[in-house]
Amino acid sequence: DGGITQSPKYLFRKEGQNVTLSCEQNLNHDAMYWYRQDPGQGLRLIYYSQIVNDFQKGDIAEGYSVSREKKESFPLTVTSAQKNPTAFYLCASSFRDRLTEAFFGQGTRLTVV
Amino acid sequence: ILNVEQSPQSLHVQEGDSTNFTCSFPSSNFYALHWYRWETAKSPEALFVMTLNGDEKKKGRISATLNTKEGYSYLYIKGSQPEDSATYLCAFEGGSTLGRLYFGRGTQLTVWP
Repeated sequence: DGGITQSPKYLFRKEGQNVTLSCEQNLNHDAMYWYRQDPGQGLRLIYYSQIVNDFQKGDIAEGYSVSREKKESFPLTVTSAQKNPTAFYLCASSFRDRLTEAFFGQGTRLTVV
Repeated sequence: ILNVEQSPQSLHVQEGDSTNFTCSFPSSNFYALHWYRWETAKSPEALFVMTLNGDEKKKGRISATLNTKEGYSYLYIKGSQPEDSATYLCAFEGGSTLGRLYFGRGTQLTVWP
């Protein structure tokens, strides 16, 4: 079945450590996105990529990094520079056209301990 | 950052009640308005992608309308059922970046049996 897989579902990190969240899709989508959700807030865009080997910052990119070496994969690294990393992270993908729906993974809940 | 507002923030209704929520968005640089349903422990799923002023879309008991001139969309649920309980997200698609979505905070609907 086609879809987006995020792993792990839950992640615990010690302060000062970098951690990488995985996002893989087999929908042949060109574009992939990373969002963050905090309680009482909408989904906020961290990074997005519309083609392989290219990505752009979203609204809250500070303290995060990404890579897009393969069409299917868009991993997100939460670095120690991210001041408040505890949140729910959601990955999405879509075709690289306007007016096309996005497909989402099930999310990763990151907790800094 | 574009502002997308949803109201109410949460809603509790009895089974069989009809309900509606609002999404307001910028009326300039508009391409599409998306509605997603996000059930607990699942991924958000697209309900509608609406593009034209006056558009009306329907899926079962759920329907939506769009007014791009004044910048709002309504989502209606007729005869709510417990399985309709979810968070309903709207997202504005516009501006210069293909496929980039700006999300509201969502309306959390609980339908009591």
